Amino acid sequence: DAGVIQSPRHEVTEMGQEVTLRCKPISGHNSLFWYRQTMMRGLELLIYFNNNVPIDDSGMPEDRFSAKMPNASFSTLKIQPSEPRDSAVYFCASRWRLGTDTQYFGPGTRLTVL
Amino acid sequence: AQTVTQSQPEMSVQEAETVTLSCTYDTSESDYYLFWYKQPPSRQMILVIRQEAYKQQNATENRFSVNFQKAAKSFSLKISDSQLGDAAMYFCAYRGHNNNDMRFGAGTRLTVKP
Repeated sequence: DAGVIQSPRHEVTEMGQEVTLRCKPISGHNSLFWYRQTMMRGLELLIYFNNNVPIDDSGMPEDRFSAKMPNASFSTLKIQPSEPRDSAVYFCASRWRLGTDTQYFGPGTRLTVL
Repeated sequence: AQTVTQSQPEMSVQEAETVTLSCTYDTSESDYYLFWYKQPPSRQMILVIRQEAYKQQNATENRFSVNFQKAAKSFSLKISDSQLGDAAMYFCAYRGHNNNDMRFGAGTRLTVKP
């Protein structure tokens, strides 16, 4: 199994630009999570999906952030417009089923907003 | 709300020696899961070990073992025969049985000295 795949691995953009982060969960996993990691706040859960449906987006910081999961093998996290304070490492993780088992993380996307 | 506390921002250990990383958590739930994740410089979040709260036996994975004290809400990680490749940030995490919001500690940076 290839594990959770994220792209791009690194993204550098200018303030005001739209940023799209992508994630492919492990095949067969039906729960998907987006996290943000910063030095100041550590690892924060932004949103999670179960069976492609967003269950809890209370961690999404602002309306500038949106996430979609159009099918079981793909999810996106979009920031529009981006701001320097959005600079962080964004992780995607997937799990076999809601409420059980272990989350497996992707390699992360390091986002830098200038 | 559940909180996870790692009181050691940094730890160091001599190669081949044993080191213990501390973690405490706060919860009112009786059934939950606890995890240790390793994050090397590559940023990949790698599951090290997990423990189900209903199991009294401490989990073990090769050189990694935990000391789970449910009454004290303590979940420490012991690394035996430390290797240079063990150098990383280590995160303790908590998830309730019927919950999907995984709570992470602030992390402990482990240095392994040759």
